[in-house]
Amino acid sequence: GNSVTQMEGPVTLSEEAFLTINCTYTATGYPSLFWYVQYPGEGLQLLLKATKADDKGSNKGFEATYRKETTSFHLEKGSVQVSDSAVYFCALSDRTGGSYIPTFGRGTSLIVHP
Amino acid sequence: NAGVMQNPRHLVRRRGQEARLRCSPMKGHSHVYWYRQLPEEGLKFMVYLQKENIIDESGMPKERFSAEFPKEGPSILRIQQVVRGDSAAYFCASSPLIMAGGAADTQYFGPGTRLTVL
Repeated sequence: GNSVTQMEGPVTLSEEAFLTINCTYTATGYPSLFWYVQYPGEGLQLLLKATKADDKGSNKGFEATYRKETTSFHLEKGSVQVSDSAVYFCALSDRTGGSYIPTFGRGTSLIVHP
Repeated sequence: NAGVMQNPRHLVRRRGQEARLRCSPMKGHSHVYWYRQLPEEGLKFMVYLQKENIIDESGMPKERFSAEFPKEGPSILRIQQVVRGDSAAYFCASSPLIMAGGAADTQYFGPGTRLTVL
């Protein structure tokens, strides 16, 4: 079956530090890959996505590249802000029987200090 | 364009009572997913529905839990005879239909219902 593994948190950084959150996956097909962000007390919001190998998703300074050879989709940001503090979920969505049933990682909490 | 709506946002029930959680998908979306999020855990898929049909309920507990998405009105996740272990955040997400049929791969989440069982 499909699975997503992401690094355990919390990840604690100072403002303007470089961020990497690792994500690897296993899938039987050719999934789409996603990063979602969850701010305290809210639902998940799509941060970025990539639908095929070597695609790079980007949004709000965050980037992730779909690496089929290493089955990875690591999230990066060059300079984090306090407002980036949230929980980040890596996910894959594989087409099964005509529709997508997503698989989520456990989430990685990011804490950014001023 | 309103997003995915869930209500109530917070629900408190005593053991043995019923909990009914409602989800109105984004306008034009015909696919609804329900997830459960336990403290310190990720998001667990429960059930996937289209209007009047349950497509995949592989993540639903076999007893006490049921879901529906009627032709008119919101999707309902129903938990009968709640126990303390049901305390969690329950999220609904919706997706639009794609040209080839079936749900699109991107999901739009509601703010969640936080259920507390006393």
